[in-house]
Amino acid sequence: NAGVMQNPRHLVRRRGQEARLRCSPMKGHSHVYWYRQLPEEGLKFMVYLQKENIIDESGMPKERFSAEFPKEGPSILRIQQVVRGDSAAYFCASSPSGTGGYEQYFGPGTRLTVT
Amino acid sequence: SQKIEQNSEALNIQEGKTATLTCNYTNYSPAYLQWYRQDPGRGPVFLLLIRENEKEKRKERLKVTFDTTLKQSLFHITASQPADSATYLCALDRNAGNMLTFGGGTRLMVKP
Repeated sequence: NAGVMQNPRHLVRRRGQEARLRCSPMKGHSHVYWYRQLPEEGLKFMVYLQKENIIDESGMPKERFSAEFPKEGPSILRIQQVVRGDSAAYFCASSPSGTGGYEQYFGPGTRLTVT
Repeated sequence: SQKIEQNSEALNIQEGKTATLTCNYTNYSPAYLQWYRQDPGRGPVFLLLIRENEKEKRKERLKVTFDTTLKQSLFHITASQPADSATYLCALDRNAGNMLTFGGGTRLMVKP
């Protein structure tokens, strides 16, 4: 039973380029969460998605960031025109339900470096 | 504003002792509190979940307490081992949904 998969594991982008991070949730999970972890900081919630719907994006910067979880295929976090401050580890998690009381299963993360 | 605080300083203990980690929160009324373990370069791994109406939860060498009056959770690892060395994160649900707000984590070092 494969866990949450994220790719790429490492991504290097120059300032101004676009970064696309992919997340495939655990089998049977339709709830996906994205978190960002800056160096020496804690995990910060960014966005919560269900299939084809954004449920809560209150943690996501208003500009340059977008997320989707299409009916088919992985969830994608897109960062346009990256800046150095976007360098961080981005984690995706999934759960079988969106109500409280369920643990989240995390992927290994994508480490984005902006040069 | 809502705040979750964990001791940012590393906790160093001797193998075999009990490690106790603290999670304090303010301006929250969480329905659930979770603890995760994170190793360097890896994603967090779920350990335990405790509900607001539960005082204590155990799993093997792990024990979590939840005091909604003190707004505090304690996480204990008994008979600690060097393999328990990691960063431990507490997380609270937001608005009784499944979106989590994490504390900054406490790094535990267990020396042989």
